[in-house]
Amino acid sequence: ETGVTQTPRHLVMGMTNKKSLKCEQHLGHNAMYWYKQSAKKPLELMFVYNFKEQTENNSVPSRFSPECPNSSHLFLHLHTLQPEDSALYLCASSQERQGFSNQPQHFGDGTRLSIL
Amino acid sequence: KQEVTQIPAALSVPEGENLVLNCSFTDSAIYNLQWFRQDPGKGLTSLLLIQSSQREQTSGRLNASLDKSSGRSTLYIAASQPGDSATYLCAPSGNTPLVFGKGTRLSVIA
Repeated sequence: ETGVTQTPRHLVMGMTNKKSLKCEQHLGHNAMYWYKQSAKKPLELMFVYNFKEQTENNSVPSRFSPECPNSSHLFLHLHTLQPEDSALYLCASSQERQGFSNQPQHFGDGTRLSIL
Repeated sequence: KQEVTQIPAALSVPEGENLVLNCSFTDSAIYNLQWFRQDPGKGLTSLLLIQSSQREQTSGRLNASLDKSSGRSTLYIAASQPGDSATYLCAPSGNTPLVFGKGTRLSVIA
């Protein structure tokens, strides 16, 4: 049973749609992350939040907009996506921002996103 | 910029065999290194975390070693089982939280 829950598990949307991905963690962690996993490519870090503040944006296009209202919830708002944005989007959390702490990251099962 | 390479990309072994997965990274200024497994259609499960000051970590049939100065880590799996079939990912953490390799896809044949 994962302590990080992502919804929806699957999402199909057109390029002009607006949708949001949700991540919730029940582990009492203070850092949360969004990753993108495309076929045949390594996981790519997108955003990092530490104590609700965004600490990293890995040159992500503005059509992806993260939101972290509190330490337990993380959203990824999607708008005017492209076919190449189709991927598995993974959320993770850790006690503190990885690199400042030796606590492991815990991952959700991801949202499989398909852009038509 | 940290780059991570995992060899082999894929591996198929008979049940019961001991095996080694390799991970190399270009920037040795890391804080720690994590090994994960990923099952098809699932997220990542953390297996082991090795701090930069440590040489190895063990959990059950898994043993991970770290040679920070040479930029290498290995994951040793003893007495492999079909349930070990998955993709194994290594990820060092430093200035960038986690940088992932492409993984090694392991199949253990009964």
